[in-house]
Amino acid sequence: GQQVMQIPQYQHVQEGEDFTTYCNSSTTLSNIQWYKQRPGGHPVFLIQLVKSGEVKKQKRLTFQFGEAKKNSSLHITATQTTDVGTYFCPLGGSNYKLTFGKGTLLTVNP
Amino acid sequence: NAGVTQTPKFRILKIGQSMTLQCAQDMNHNYMYWYRQDPGMGLKLIYYSVGAGITDKGEVPNGYNVSRSTTEDFPLRLELAAPSQTSVYFCASSPDFLLAKNIQYFGAGTRLSVL
Repeated sequence: GQQVMQIPQYQHVQEGEDFTTYCNSSTTLSNIQWYKQRPGGHPVFLIQLVKSGEVKKQKRLTFQFGEAKKNSSLHITATQTTDVGTYFCPLGGSNYKLTFGKGTLLTVNP
Repeated sequence: NAGVTQTPKFRILKIGQSMTLQCAQDMNHNYMYWYRQDPGMGLKLIYYSVGAGITDKGEVPNGYNVSRSTTEDFPLRLELAAPSQTSVYFCASSPDFLLAKNIQYFGAGTRLSVL
């Protein structure tokens, strides 16, 4: 069945360093979404990518959707302590359910 | 709009007790979901609903029940609480997935301990 692998599972950085997390799918995706969950908080929708090769930016965050629509990345430039949390790229598709993996836990040392 | 509201925020149950976790949304979303999240893990789908009167099982439905009598409300019932049900429970809703590609909006969660 469809699977999305997210790497790394954990990442610890010094404040100011860059950070990237990757999602890789075994099959072509119709779209991909990214969510962020702060420690003790709830998942919050960040962005959705739909088009092949799409790149979207939100301030220091850059989201990419691969040309083959099988992978995606989230890059954070110059991390801040407010970036701490778990980033998820749940598996969606043609139905109305999302399957969340463990995500990537980012910790930032001030 | 308040979005998705979950009550209570915290609860401690004794083994064998029952309780209902409440979830309400004011965004007129058809799709609603219940997830549980254990420490360091992702979210696992318990039950979901595509509209009033329609519910279906997710990945981990055992020990839970749901109902959807209105568009706004989607309560989750635990009949005989067990320690394995200690978790954080999140309710989410989504507008018509054909338009918004199933973007989900989450409540703040209910932290449940069964002792």
